[in-house]
Amino acid sequence: GQQVMQIPQYQHVQEGEDFTTYCNSSTTLSNIQWYKQRPGGHPVFLIQLVKSGEVKKQKRLTFQFGEAKKNSSLHITATQTTDVGTYFCAGLFNAGGTSYGKLTFGQGTILTVHP
Amino acid sequence: DGGITQSPKYLFRKEGQNVTLSCEQNLNHDAMYWYRQDPGQGLRLIYYSQIVNDFQKGDIAEGYSVSREKKESFPLTVTSAQKNPTAFYLCASRWTRQGDAFFGQGTRLTVV
Repeated sequence: GQQVMQIPQYQHVQEGEDFTTYCNSSTTLSNIQWYKQRPGGHPVFLIQLVKSGEVKKQKRLTFQFGEAKKNSSLHITATQTTDVGTYFCAGLFNAGGTSYGKLTFGQGTILTVHP
Repeated sequence: DGGITQSPKYLFRKEGQNVTLSCEQNLNHDAMYWYRQDPGQGLRLIYYSQIVNDFQKGDIAEGYSVSREKKESFPLTVTSAQKNPTAFYLCASRWTRQGDAFFGQGTRLTVV
């Protein structure tokens, strides 16, 4: 089936340490999107990767899309307490032509940052 | 302001009753989605719709039903056939085929 697996499920870091979460799909994706959900909130879009091997940066966040368009990672350098929350990847399957595709989320990684 | 409105924010239901969750958007988006969120399981896709009067089952459609009679509205009915309905339900919409999703604030359903 069209599933997206994300690891780890939890990550506890000290403020200033780095953090990485990984996503993997068994089938090729149209694109991959990353979202952040603060405790008690709803997911908010961070970024989208479309091209094979694409790398994008947003300040301390670096996003990568694999060459085969099946895996992706999010890396945060020098975490801060404001980074706490759950980070989700979402794989878009079969988008194109007349289709909006199926947007399937990974299980999410819950990040806690200790000051 | 444009956005997605889910109502109510909290909902309590007695076992054996059907309940309908509202999702309205004024973003003029074609595609709309319903997800269920349980602790430690991320967001699981229930149903999605790409156009009015058309919708597809997601990964966990059993016990749920939807309709898409208007572009702006995509209500979700949780039926009595859903064995474990207590969860946080999120509605989302997308406006382009490669684009990102906008989420509503969610409805927290509790079966009592």
